[in-house]
Amino acid sequence: DQQVKQNSPSLSVQEGRISILNCDYTNSMFDYFLWYKKYPAEGPTFLISISSIKDKNEDGRFTVFLNKSAKHLSLHIVPSQPGDSAVYFCAMETSGSRLTFGEGTQLTVNP
Amino acid sequence: DTEVTQTPKHLVMGMTNKKSLKCEQHMGHRAMYWYKQKAKKPPELMFVYSYEKLSINESVPSRFSPECPNSSLLNLHLHALQPEDSALYLCASSHMASVGGELFFGEGSRLTVL
Repeated sequence: DQQVKQNSPSLSVQEGRISILNCDYTNSMFDYFLWYKKYPAEGPTFLISISSIKDKNEDGRFTVFLNKSAKHLSLHIVPSQPGDSAVYFCAMETSGSRLTFGEGTQLTVNP
Repeated sequence: DTEVTQTPKHLVMGMTNKKSLKCEQHMGHRAMYWYKQKAKKPPELMFVYSYEKLSINESVPSRFSPECPNSSLLNLHLHALQPEDSALYLCASSHMASVGGELFFGEGSRLTVL
């Protein structure tokens, strides 16, 4: 039973436009939500996070939105840059540092 | 130093071999993790060490044996593995094993079991 789903395996966006990555979850016990970015041959790197008591968190070009009633998490990147091309994983956490990852979305930003 | 260093980067072993994966961090983090990632799949948690003690074992087979010799080092001892254990093994660390802690990942050790 997959608790965290990223339904789009890939997304292609033009440079300068907005990239929107989505993630749905089923476990209402998740209380912390994170996005990681992964380049080939590297480990995932932390990007941005949000706790369950908030609905938006912004850091520069990256904004994470949480809709708890819909159990939906999204990441907005604007403006998108070619260097943003990577695999993006959403991850969710309950107590004890158990991170559950989505399957990832390959973002390609075209110049 | 914000790095998590994993060695070796690549490992090929037979089913009767004994080998070890190593992980090191010098960020003063007190929680360290092993994740397993198969191709086109998300990372899956295997073990969590908190203050050098094993706090989470996600029902991992005993052919995988973790060890935390000190707060900076984490090993994963491998013995009698199966071909289906071939995967990328990721080590991570965080300040503490608590909710909301950002994990720092290493580049991974790619394991192939013949």
